Amino acid sequence: GQNIDQPTEMTATEGAIVQINCTYQTSGFNGLFWYQQHAGEAPTFLSYNVLDGLEEKGRFSSFLSRSKGYSYLLLKELQMKDSASYLCAVSSSSGGSYIPTFGRGTSLIVHP
Amino acid sequence: DTEVTQTPKHLVMGMTNKKSLKCEQHMGHRAMYWYKQKAKKPPELMFVYSYEKLSINESVPSRFSPECPNSSLLNLHLHALQPEDSALYLCASSQERTGGSSSYEQYFGPGTRLTVT
Repeated sequence: GQNIDQPTEMTATEGAIVQINCTYQTSGFNGLFWYQQHAGEAPTFLSYNVLDGLEEKGRFSSFLSRSKGYSYLLLKELQMKDSASYLCAVSSSSGGSYIPTFGRGTSLIVHP
Repeated sequence: DTEVTQTPKHLVMGMTNKKSLKCEQHMGHRAMYWYKQKAKKPPELMFVYSYEKLSINESVPSRFSPECPNSSLLNLHLHALQPEDSALYLCASSQERTGGSSSYEQYFGPGTRLTVT
């Protein structure tokens, strides 16, 4: 199976930078996704990493190290609307399906 | 059109009722998914359809019955549910079903909040 670990909750200040970590243990790694989910709403896609390195998209960046089984999502210039749950999802051949498995999510609270 | 729609938004049903959840996408995606999500938990995969054929059933009880009438529609038929089945049911689609050499982002619908009384 897969073991995906993220912090349960983080708090940060508006305008600051926050890094949300995700560690995973799996076989046959095939990519890692980050999704944002506001309370009561559907998850929305943020980023996808399959090779090592940093992918930047505006205020959001995502990093992957396959050898360390580690990814992070970096949010810059935080805004109040960034308060949400951030889900790390790992795709792998474990179980044979390659369908991404979601971590438990990190609830980010941005305060003024 | 990059939207996945789901109806109804909310559903309250008794344990003896039969109801259906509907999901639609017009992005030409060939993979569609049903997830169940409880409060403060991640989405849990239930079913995957690829090219209108059921490719994954994550040992879901038979009181949940999926159907894919065509490439744009996905239904989830509900019968004799239990109170513990109350949850947010999310539909998602992706360009293809994730496979050995490629992964595809999933587009999620807004969900149906189901309460079983």
